[in-house]
Amino acid sequence: DAGVTQSPTHLIKTRGQQVTLRCSPKSGHDTVSWYQQALGQGPQFIFQYYEEEERQRGNFPDRFSGHQFPNYSSELNVNALLLGDSALYLCASSLYSAGSYNEQFFGPGTRLTVL
Amino acid sequence: SQQGEEDPQALSIQEGENATMNCSYKTSINNLQWYRQNSGRGLVHLILIRSNEREKHSGRLRVTLDTSKKSSSLLITASRAADTASYFCATDGKKTSYDKVIFGPGTSLSVIP
Repeated sequence: DAGVTQSPTHLIKTRGQQVTLRCSPKSGHDTVSWYQQALGQGPQFIFQYYEEEERQRGNFPDRFSGHQFPNYSSELNVNALLLGDSALYLCASSLYSAGSYNEQFFGPGTRLTVL
Repeated sequence: SQQGEEDPQALSIQEGENATMNCSYKTSINNLQWYRQNSGRGLVHLILIRSNEREKHSGRLRVTLDTSKKSSSLLITASRAADTASYFCATDGKKTSYDKVIFGPGTSLSVIP
């Protein structure tokens, strides 16, 4: 049973460019959340997708957008990259169940470097 | 502002000793979780404690939760070199069953063989 997978593993971009990161959730999961983790910091919640819609969003600008596909996989898009966007981007999946805690399983992350 | 704050920021101990990390948070929570992260890789879920629980054990891990003080502690007993990692507490709020999870800045643990 494959866990959460992310691609690519590493990525180098220059300022002003656009980037797309991909996530495949754990089998049976329907919810995907994205986090940004700067070096030496804890993960910061970007947004969560469920039923192909953004359900929750953290304090990130509109340059950060996402998408969830019918097969529950997800993409994170970042436009007009800034040096400060350099970070490890983590994807987490879960199975939504109303009224109970939905444990998240994390992928290995994509390391984005903006030059 | 961040929900969780771990203390200390860094901890260095000898193998076999116990390691204690603390987490404080600011608003009411549903659950508090502890995660481990090795060398900037993905997060591994260690243990979850619900707001109506006070203590939980899992192998060499012991977690306590004091909702009156809005704090939690993670105790790792008989530490091993393989426990060297960053440890994060994370909380989710009471608004909905899918309320966003907020992480603290983490404690970096070094276990010296």
